[in-house]
Amino acid sequence: DTAVSQTPKYLVTQMGNDKSIKCEQNLGHDTMYWYKQDSKKFLKIMFSYNNKELIINETVPNRFSPKSPDKAHLNLHINSLELGDSAVYFCASSQVGVYGYTFGSGTRLTVV
Amino acid sequence: KQEVTQIPAALSVPEGENLVLNCSFTDSAIYNLQWFRQDPGKGLTSLLLIQSSQREQTSGRLNASLDKSSGRSTLYIAASQPGDSATYLCAVDRNDMRFGAGTRLTVKP
Repeated sequence: DTAVSQTPKYLVTQMGNDKSIKCEQNLGHDTMYWYKQDSKKFLKIMFSYNNKELIINETVPNRFSPKSPDKAHLNLHINSLELGDSAVYFCASSQVGVYGYTFGSGTRLTVV
Repeated sequence: KQEVTQIPAALSVPEGENLVLNCSFTDSAIYNLQWFRQDPGKGLTSLLLIQSSQREQTSGRLNASLDKSSGRSTLYIAASQPGDSATYLCAVDRNDMRFGAGTRLTVKP
């Protein structure tokens, strides 16, 4: 069983569209995260959710919105996609401060 | 704000060599430090996790050390193999995980 799963794995879309990426974890962790890996391969945190509460938002445009229907899911919605949004988006989960992070396999988003 | 630096940015070694990857961080108030491996076009694989109270962790040919007071960690890889070629990422956890830019390792047969 995959611990942290993301769908889709690849997403190609046109500028201006709205899209969503889904993430699910079956580890029983209490916190989930979204990271963006840009073309230079640098990983930067976007959001984290702990018990359905947003606790970090790192200067991310408000076109990006995380949605957590329950503790095991954290979806990422992106409105009005721009060329600069092209990147690999990783979902992760953790039990805060204890066990380290487990990452999904990533979603490669290409905006054309 | 936590900043994580990894040196060198890239490293190429012949097969069989022992090597050390370096990681430094600016805020020593961390919960733990984690080393990951990322293969091209792939996700992150956790290699070693060192909790803040620990000094080192070992897994097979890998050994990671942590000196929290000086803000440093090293990843030692013994008897390197071509299959070790990947990007190695260091990350520190304090409320959220902050990553270094990685060291791209190439092990030549």
